[in-house]
Amino acid sequence: AQSVTQPDIHITVSEGASLELRCNYSYGATPYLFWYVQSPGQGLQLLLKYFSGDTLVQGIKGFEAEFKRSQSSFNLRKPSVHWSDAAEYFCAAANEKLTFGTGTRLTIIP
Amino acid sequence: DTAVSQTPKYLVTQMGNDKSIKCEQNLGHDTMYWYKQDSKKFLKIMFSYNNKELIINETVPNRFSPKSPDKAHLNLHINSLELGDSAVYFCASEASGRRNTQYFGPGTRLTVL
Repeated sequence: AQSVTQPDIHITVSEGASLELRCNYSYGATPYLFWYVQSPGQGLQLLLKYFSGDTLVQGIKGFEAEFKRSQSSFNLRKPSVHWSDAAEYFCAAANEKLTFGTGTRLTIIP
Repeated sequence: DTAVSQTPKYLVTQMGNDKSIKCEQNLGHDTMYWYKQDSKKFLKIMFSYNNKELIINETVPNRFSPKSPDKAHLNLHINSLELGDSAVYFCASEASGRRNTQYFGPGTRLTVL
């Protein structure tokens, strides 16, 4: 069955530290891949997406993600987090329909 | 201007009631969706409409009935509300050929008492 896995339920990082959120997918063929962010009480905002081509994808708010076919992964990274990055992050994959991972809650400490 | 809007933002109601949630997008997209986000933040697709036609129906109870009067609107009507229907419902839209790039509304938090 097609699935998206985010192994980390909750991650805490210090402001200014680097961040990596993990995402793995299980699909027959490489799906389209996405990262969304959900701030408290808000809807989902698209951070970035991967369809094909360059495996390092740049997104909004200083985020990037790297697609690794050999690991079926699409990890999200940011070199230096800001307090405003505290939110829930969802990885998603699609062929015919969009399937979301269970999300990773990011907490930023001063 | 809000790209994808939903009303109401909050909805509190009693078990057994019937309620509707409205969604509108001004992006000119052809496809619209309803998702349910449960208390554990898990997001699951419920329905998808393309140009007013139902294309995805994900084994949702038939108490849930989507209605698309035109391609800019996709409303969700829920009959005989149950406690388990309490969740946040998100509407999303997608342009044709944009490879599942979806834009989400702010959500409607439904609480059934």
